[in-house]
Amino acid sequence: NAGVTQTPKFQVLKTGQSMTLQCAQDMNHNSMYWYRQDPGMGLRLIYYSASEGTTDKGEVPNGYNVSRLNKREFSLRLESAAPSQTSVYFCASGSGLGKLFFGSGTQLSVL
Amino acid sequence: SQKIEQNSEALNIQEGKTATLTCNYTNYSPAYLQWYRQDPGRGPVFLLLIRENEKEKRKERLKVTFDTTLKQSLFHITASQPADSATYLCALDEDTDKLIFGTGTRLQVFP
Repeated sequence: NAGVTQTPKFQVLKTGQSMTLQCAQDMNHNSMYWYRQDPGMGLRLIYYSASEGTTDKGEVPNGYNVSRLNKREFSLRLESAAPSQTSVYFCASGSGLGKLFFGSGTQLSVL
Repeated sequence: SQKIEQNSEALNIQEGKTATLTCNYTNYSPAYLQWYRQDPGRGPVFLLLIRENEKEKRKERLKVTFDTTLKQSLFHITASQPADSATYLCALDEDTDKLIFGTGTRLQVFP
């Protein structure tokens, strides 16, 4: 099993450019999450989806949009990237029993 | 404001000793609390989950306690090994399916 797969692993953007981070899980989990991780700030929740067809804001949703395309896939879109969005992004999925499985992360730099 | 606090300073201990990490929270009433391990460049990996009605949980050399009165969880690694060196994150459910993380504590175990 692949678990949680994120693409791309690395990305460099210029300010104002847009991009979509892709995430897919093969564990038939209902819940999926997007976090960002910055030095000294820990993991901060951007958006989450408790089930297919639903999405909710987390702690830091501004500047991001998400799509729960189906049960497997949950994408994160930056419409107009800003340097403050330079971070490591993690996707995760969970079965609803609390335990989360994380992808390997996307390192994003916005110049 | 709601907060999850972990000691931001690294914890350095000698191999064979017991490492104790602390997680304090305010203004939450979690149904459970979790601990994750994160190695550099990787996503967090689930270790243990303890529910609000449980005082203590063990898994091999790991032990977690949960005191809902003190709003604190302690995470112990007994007989620590250099391979235990990593960052350890605590997390709790702010709401159903909404998991919030602390900033993490880096543990360094010296031979």
